Amino acid sequence: DQQVKQNSPSLSVQEGRISILNCDYTNSMFDYFLWYKKYPAEGPTFLISISSIKDKNEDGRFTVFLNKSAKHLSLHIVPSQPGDSAVYFCAASGTYGQNFVFGPGTRLSVLP
Amino acid sequence: SQTIHQWPATLVQPVGSPLSLECTVEGTSNPNLYWYRQAAGRGLQLLFYSVGIGQISSEVPQNLSASRPQDRQFILSSKKLLLSDSGFYLCAWSGTAGEKLFFGSGTQLSVL
Repeated sequence: DQQVKQNSPSLSVQEGRISILNCDYTNSMFDYFLWYKKYPAEGPTFLISISSIKDKNEDGRFTVFLNKSAKHLSLHIVPSQPGDSAVYFCAASGTYGQNFVFGPGTRLSVLP
Repeated sequence: SQTIHQWPATLVQPVGSPLSLECTVEGTSNPNLYWYRQAAGRGLQLLFYSVGIGQISSEVPQNLSASRPQDRQFILSSKKLLLSDSGFYLCAWSGTAGEKLFFGSGTQLSVL
């Protein structure tokens, strides 16, 4: 049973527009939620995270929103750039982070 | 600053051969260490994690094993590789608070 779900396997967006990547989770005990970006044949790189006690965290072009009641989070990228084209993984962890659970990923394509 | 080293970058092995992938972390002490696998077109699957020397937790029954002989060294092994062991293997570390996971550059393993 998938604890972290990313229901859109792919997303295409025009350059300059907003990209919205969605993630749902089932375990209400998760304390932290993270987004990673991954290029082919490379390790994922950390983008942004949010604690379960917050509902929004912003870092430059990236903003993560958390809706605990809906067990849903989203990553907004504004404005989208061609270099943002990659696979984005949503992840969640519990207290002390001994088990980071990843979603299956969403492939974002930003079209020039 | 902390760095994580993982090698080799690519590996082609015949079915039935042994495997040893090594990962080391620098610039931190007592990290939590992880091995993940990404099969072709799939998400990140947690294989093993370790919270200390000699302490290994396995998430998925499989043909692989892990060891942590030193505080900042994590090794993934197999006595006899199967075709299904092919994939992209990622080592990662986090601090004990577990707020963020840092990945190595990955090893692309092809079992033929």
